[in-house]
Amino acid sequence: KAGVTQTPRYLIKTRGQQVTLSCSPISGHRSVSWYQQTPGQGLQFLFEYFSETQRNKGNFPGRFSGRQFSNSRSEMNVSTLELGDSALYLCASSPTGQGAHEQYFGPGTRLTVT
Amino acid sequence: EDKVVQSPLSLVVHEGDTVTLNCSYEVTNFRSLLWYKQEKKAPTFLFMLTSSGIEKKSGRLSSILDKKELFSILNITATQTGDSAVYLCAVSIIQGAQKLVFGQGTRLTINP
Repeated sequence: KAGVTQTPRYLIKTRGQQVTLSCSPISGHRSVSWYQQTPGQGLQFLFEYFSETQRNKGNFPGRFSGRQFSNSRSEMNVSTLELGDSALYLCASSPTGQGAHEQYFGPGTRLTVT
Repeated sequence: EDKVVQSPLSLVVHEGDTVTLNCSYEVTNFRSLLWYKQEKKAPTFLFMLTSSGIEKKSGRLSSILDKKELFSILNITATQTGDSAVYLCAVSIIQGAQKLVFGQGTRLTINP
C-alpha cells in the first residue's frame, strides 16, 4: 500500500501571499489530520477531516483553513502569509473516525515565508 | 489544557547502551498513547498503547503504559547509531476526532 503523500514538498512564498497544500491519505483511510511543526512549538494540531467534514480544529487563526474531497484527499490553505507561518506542515491519515487508531504521517511540506 | 511532557529532552549515549525515554500526560479524555520516531523527515509510527501494563515490543524497542500514574516509557536496548532520532510521544484524545497532542520530543544521539 502506498503511504501518505503530500505535495509540494518544498515551497517558498512571500509575506501576504496565500498557499495551498495537498495531502493524499493511504488508500482506504478516511480521516486526514493536519499538523504544523516548528522548532519552538513542536507539533501542533491544526484540524481533522472525516468524510468531507471538519470535526475538530486547533488553536490557529482563521487564515488557516482546509477541506476534504469525496476521495478523502485533503487540502490546506493559508491566506495572508506571515513570517511565523514558516514551518513543516504534516498531514496524517487514519483508517476510520471511531476508536483508537494509529495515524500515519506523510513526508510533509516545508513552507518558507520570506 | 491537555499537556504531554517528555523527559529527558536530550540524551547522548554510546552504542550498545540501553535507554529509557519518559512520557507523562495530563489530558481530559484519554484514548490512546502513541510513540513515533522522527529523523529528518516525517514521524514514523512505532507503538500505540491503550491498556495499562501490557508491554508492546518490536525488536529492540518496547513500551508500556501506566494509566493510573499517567505515563509511558519507551525502552531501547542494545542501541545502534541508526536509533539516533527524535522520539515523539503523543496522546490521542476523545473529541469526536482523531486529534493527537504531542510532547516536545526527546532527541536521542547514539555515539559509536
